[in-house]
Amino acid sequence: NAGVTQTPKFQVLKTGQSMTLQCAQDMNHEYMSWYRQDPGMGLRLIHYSVGAGITDQGEVPNGYNVSRSTTEDFPLRLLSAAPSQTSVYFCASSYFDSNTEAFFGQGTRLTVV
Amino acid sequence: GENVEQHPSTLSVQEGDSAVIKCTYSDSASNYFPWYKQELGKGPQLIIDIRSNVGEKKDQRIAVTLNKTAKHFSLHITETQPEDSAVYFCAASPPSQGNLIFGKGTKLSVKP
Repeated sequence: NAGVTQTPKFQVLKTGQSMTLQCAQDMNHEYMSWYRQDPGMGLRLIHYSVGAGITDQGEVPNGYNVSRSTTEDFPLRLLSAAPSQTSVYFCASSYFDSNTEAFFGQGTRLTVV
Repeated sequence: GENVEQHPSTLSVQEGDSAVIKCTYSDSASNYFPWYKQELGKGPQLIIDIRSNVGEKKDQRIAVTLNKTAKHFSLHITETQPEDSAVYFCAASPPSQGNLIFGKGTKLSVKP
């Protein structure tokens, strides 16, 4: 039981490049979400999903896309990277909804130059 | 939408002392209030949570209190130890939004 697995752990991108941050969970959780963490800003929600085939926007969705084709996977796509997207990204999953314990991955540190 | 304010942003205590972190929320319909601990280089981990039908909850050295009327909740850590040093986040879950809203975090340092 690996929990929530994020890849890669570190990434450097050039402005304008695109990439996908991977997130997978093996706990059969319905609810998954992506957060970004910036100094002094806490954790801000980017996108979330309440189940396969269903996604919704969070607080800071611009510049990011998500899809949820399976229960296990919830990739986050950066369409055209910008320096403002330099951050640490966390994926989380919960058994049913946001009113249950969220399990976080180890994070992806992304730098856009 | 829901807004969660967390204070203080940094807190330094001596080993063995108590630490208190406070949060306020704006949406009176919020009904779930978890606290997460984040150690350096790791993802946040749930340490305790409380639901709106309960006023206080304890787990060994950690306790959380909730005042629904005033819309604030607090984390209390007693007999602090160096391994309690971390960043702590409070959060609230408003039913209308379907997700967790986090405070900005408190960096707790416990000096030996």
